[in-house]
Amino acid sequence: DVKVTQSSRYLVKRTGEKVFLECVQDMDHENMFWYRQDPGLGLRLIYFSYDVKMKEKGDIPEGYSVSREKKERFSLILESASTNQTSMYLCASSSIGTADEQFFGPGTRLTVL
Amino acid sequence: GEDVEQSLFLSVREGDSSVINCTYTDSSSTYLYWYKQEPGAGLQLLTYIFSNMDMKQDQRLTVLLNKKDKHLSLRIADTQTGDSAIYFCAESNQAGTALIFGKGTTLSVSS
Repeated sequence: DVKVTQSSRYLVKRTGEKVFLECVQDMDHENMFWYRQDPGLGLRLIYFSYDVKMKEKGDIPEGYSVSREKKERFSLILESASTNQTSMYLCASSSIGTADEQFFGPGTRLTVL
Repeated sequence: GEDVEQSLFLSVREGDSSVINCTYTDSSSTYLYWYKQEPGAGLQLLTYIFSNMDMKQDQRLTVLLNKKDKHLSLRIADTQTGDSAIYFCAESNQAGTALIFGKGTTLSVSS
């Protein structure tokens, strides 16, 4: 069974802290994505990666960075967390050459106090 | 720019049909998708339609595509309480590198 796992379901951090959100997929997918989901705004793409060490900015990259050192792992980094980054963060992966189906993790609900 | 629009809420009674509508802007998208998000979970692909098709049926689900009007719909027959969820319409971006999602339609099914 295909799987995308995220390191935490719930996370509470303080303003100014550095935050790492980890995502791992076991499907040998080339593409990985980070979204944030907010009520009334739907899913917005933060960053994506189509290969190891490659990254592309999505629609809202400001305040975030990413790291992809291994094919199966894609990390989202908040260098200095702010309250407006309180959100649900969803990771997804997909394979090249399919119907672009993205497989999603369960999400991490991050609260920044 | 690329955009996907859908209504935010739909409320139906158990046993009725539900129709969720979506409009999109990028006509070059090869596939169009419907994802479902149950409470507390990530998104799951529900169904997709190839852009040269008008209709796709999969058990209780019917997808209709009107390319001329850039309109996509998802019909759920005999809607059940377990169908209560958020439904997202999505298309590929022009570069074909990512999906663009609508804001999601929250379907509420009452018994």
